[in-house]
Amino acid sequence: DQQVKQNSPSLSVQEGRISILNCDYTNSMFDYFLWYKKYPAEGPTFLISISSIKDKNEDGRFTVFLNKSAKHLSLHIVPSQPGDSAVYFCAASDPGNTPLVFGKGTRLSVIA
Amino acid sequence: EAGVVQSPRYKIIEKKQPVAFWCNPISGHNTLYWYRQNLGQGPELLIRYENEEAVDDSQLPKDRFSAERLKGVDSTLKIQPAELGDSAVYLCASNTRGGTDTQYFGPGTRLTVL
Repeated sequence: DQQVKQNSPSLSVQEGRISILNCDYTNSMFDYFLWYKKYPAEGPTFLISISSIKDKNEDGRFTVFLNKSAKHLSLHIVPSQPGDSAVYFCAASDPGNTPLVFGKGTRLSVIA
Repeated sequence: EAGVVQSPRYKIIEKKQPVAFWCNPISGHNTLYWYRQNLGQGPELLIRYENEEAVDDSQLPKDRFSAERLKGVDSTLKIQPAELGDSAVYLCASNTRGGTDTQYFGPGTRLTVL
């Protein structure tokens, strides 16, 4: 059973517009959430994270929102740029130092 | 600062053959992870090392997979014998102290078993 779900396999957005990538989780013990970005033939690179004590974290063009009651988080990219085209993975962990649990990823294409 | 280094980048083997992957983590990183990423899926942890000790290998198929991290630095992941279902990208990651500390990934080794 997938504990971290990214239900949109792909997303296309026009350059300059907002990209919104969604992630749902089922394990209520998760308290730390991360987004990784992956280009072809490269390993995932850390993008942004959020702790469960917050509902928003912002870093430049990237903002992650966490809705604990809905067990939902989202990554907003504003404005989207062609270089943002990649696969984005949502990941989560619980306080027990257990492994990160990754979603299946969403492929974002930013069209110029 | 050099990132996580993995080799080889690509490997094609026949089923039932052995294969080994090598990882050199970022200098000073005590925790090392091996993940497997199947096509269309996210990475899944195979084994985690704290220095030279394997602290989580619950997802490692021990009948055919083995790993070692001698001296707590480099690590090798081996499959013997390989099966068709082992075709995947094998990723190595490291961080300074485990937990929620950011994990830095290597480029991965893409294994194809024919």
